[in-house]
Amino acid sequence: QVQLQESGPGLVKPSETLSLTCTVSGGSISGYHWSWIRQSPGKGLEWIGYVYHSGSTKYNPSLKNRVTVSVDTSKNQFSLRLTSVTAADTAVYYCARHGFASYWYFDLWGRGTLVTVSS
Amino acid sequence: QTMVTQEPSLSVSPGGTVTLTCGLSSGSVSFNYYPTWYQQAPGQAPRTLIFSADTRSVGVPARFSGSILGNTAALTITGAQADDESVYYCGLYMGNDIWVFGGGTKLTVL
Repeated sequence: QVQLQESGPGLVKPSETLSLTCTVSGGSISGYHWSWIRQSPGKGLEWIGYVYHSGSTKYNPSLKNRVTVSVDTSKNQFSLRLTSVTAADTAVYYCARHGFASYWYFDLWGRGTLVTVSS
Repeated sequence: QTMVTQEPSLSVSPGGTVTLTCGLSSGSVSFNYYPTWYQQAPGQAPRTLIFSADTRSVGVPARFSGSILGNTAALTITGAQADDESVYYCGLYMGNDIWVFGGGTKLTVL
């Protein structure tokens, strides 16, 4: 059974860089698109960006200048970097897998990790 | 920027039927948007219920069904149960590798 697990600091200072990693266990990272999605406190979901197992990426235009998503197939992991964070970036960050035959939706989600931006 | 619209809240009686909708601030939702419905119970990660408008994910009870109704995507729960009380999000593929979610519908079963 494939599982996703987010990891990384729970507290980041304003203007610094948020870095998270998602570890895929029970299955291969190959052949899929992998995304980061966040949920600000009391708010809805926001797609951040994806990486394909080949390394190709696509980002939400609203975050494009600050976000990088990368993949490490040797470790079965993919990662998120978000630069110049502010309090508005405080959220639960989820990693998610796109459907295999249909990448237009997310079929598997991690449990999420709360990242707070505060000095 | 086009936004995805959902009812902020709905309620249903146990055993009853309720329909949640997912629309666009400009335009109509069709199969081309590959509407997906996600259920998020309190304190839990989202769970995929329905994808491509009307296909149930593996393990999802048959009381959940999806459809396109007029210019919206719809999620119908037939025979609602207490543990269906959750927030339901609609996600749409907007094309050009962009995904957008609605604000969610908080469903109360009472």
